[in-house]
Formats: sequence, C-alpha cells, structure tokens
Amino acid sequence: ELKVEQNPLFLSMQEGKNYTIYCNYSTTSDRLYWYRQDPGKSLESLFVLLSNGAVKQEGRLMASLDTKARLSTLHITAAVHDLSATYFCAVDPLDSNSGYALNFGKGTSLLVTP
Amino acid sequence: EAGVAQSPRYKIIEKRQSVAFWCNPISGHATLYWYQQILGQGPKLLIQFQNNGVVDDSQLPKDRFSAERLKGVDSTLKIQPAKLEDSAVYLCASSPAGYEQYFGPGTRLTVT
Repeated sequence: ELKVEQNPLFLSMQEGKNYTIYCNYSTTSDRLYWYRQDPGKSLESLFVLLSNGAVKQEGRLMASLDTKARLSTLHITAAVHDLSATYFCAVDPLDSNSGYALNFGKGTSLLVTP
Repeated sequence: EAGVAQSPRYKIIEKRQSVAFWCNPISGHATLYWYQQILGQGPKLLIQFQNNGVVDDSQLPKDRFSAERLKGVDSTLKIQPAKLEDSAVYLCASSPAGYEQYFGPGTRLTVT
C-alpha cells in the first residue's frame, strides 16, 4: 500500500517568514501533485511535478521533487495571510491497474499570522 | 471551459436513509473519480471510471455504496443505508488522459 506522509500537519507562521512543508512517499513514482484547499472549498491544483528534479514556482510558493529520495517539498517564501489554507500532496502510484488514482497525504494546515 | 459540476452541495440525512450524489465531469474527460474526504483527512478514492467501465473500486464499501456512469459522461454515487461514519465531503474529479485531475466543489454529507 502506497503511503504518503506530510509534515508538519499543522503550521503557524508569521507573515514574512519562510518555511518548508515536506511530503514523503513509499513507492517509486515521478508524478506528484500539490493542491490547496480553503475551508469549505474544493481542491485547487497548485503544482504538477512529473520528473525527478522538477521544480516549479508560482508567486511565493515553490515545489520540488526528488524521486530518488521519494520526497517533495513545498517552500513558502515571505508568507502572507492569503496563503493560510490546507495544502495536500498527492502521489500517482504509476500503476496501470489503479488507473492513476491519487494517494493523498493528510494535509498541512497552514495559518499565517501578522 | 466549464468545470466539474456536482449536486447537491449539501445534504443532511438520518442514519439508515439513502442518498445519491451527481457529478458531471469536464466535457471530453474520459476518466472520472469519486473521492471521500473525512474531516481533517486527505481525500480517499472510492471508485474510478474509464468511460463507463470501472477501473478501480477496491475501496468502495460495496455493501452500502454503489456508483454508475451511464454513457460515459455523468455519474451518480449512492449510499444505502447511510451510517454515521459516512459523514464526509464527496468529491468528484475528472481527467482527460490519466494526468492532472480537476476537482468539483464537492457534496458535504452529514448523517445524523
């Protein structure tokens, strides 16, 4: 069974600070996704990482993928309040039998305070 | 491009009642997924369709849950009878070719 572990699960940080969220997974895969979810809302796609060494940036968020270490990171630079949300990583197990269904971590609940 | 549509958005039922959810995927997307998201957790796959065929339903509690995708487009997910532990958000997602999935707004089910 594919396991996806995120840490931390809860993160309170001050505006202007930097921090990294980690996503470890237990099987070989080079497809990893990051989603954002606001309270009561659905999942919004942030990044799609499709190869080892992939790095993508959007605004204050940067995601990277190391398939050899089975690790992805989501780095937050100079946090602002609008980034407060829950962030999920999801791994595609690359199993044709499972049809590319995603396995999600438990999510990191981020709160950015003044 | 219209997104994934789901209805209803909210549903409150008593245990042992039945309920059905509807999903209309993005036009042209062959793959459709139903996920269950319990409060405080990540979504968990219930069932996946490729066109109108089932690809994976290994985590669907088949004694009470059923799903169909007629004509390879819209899909319905049914729970009968509902239990308290079925309280969750039910997310529908679609994808064009096994890559990025697009999620609908979800249906929040409360079982009392």
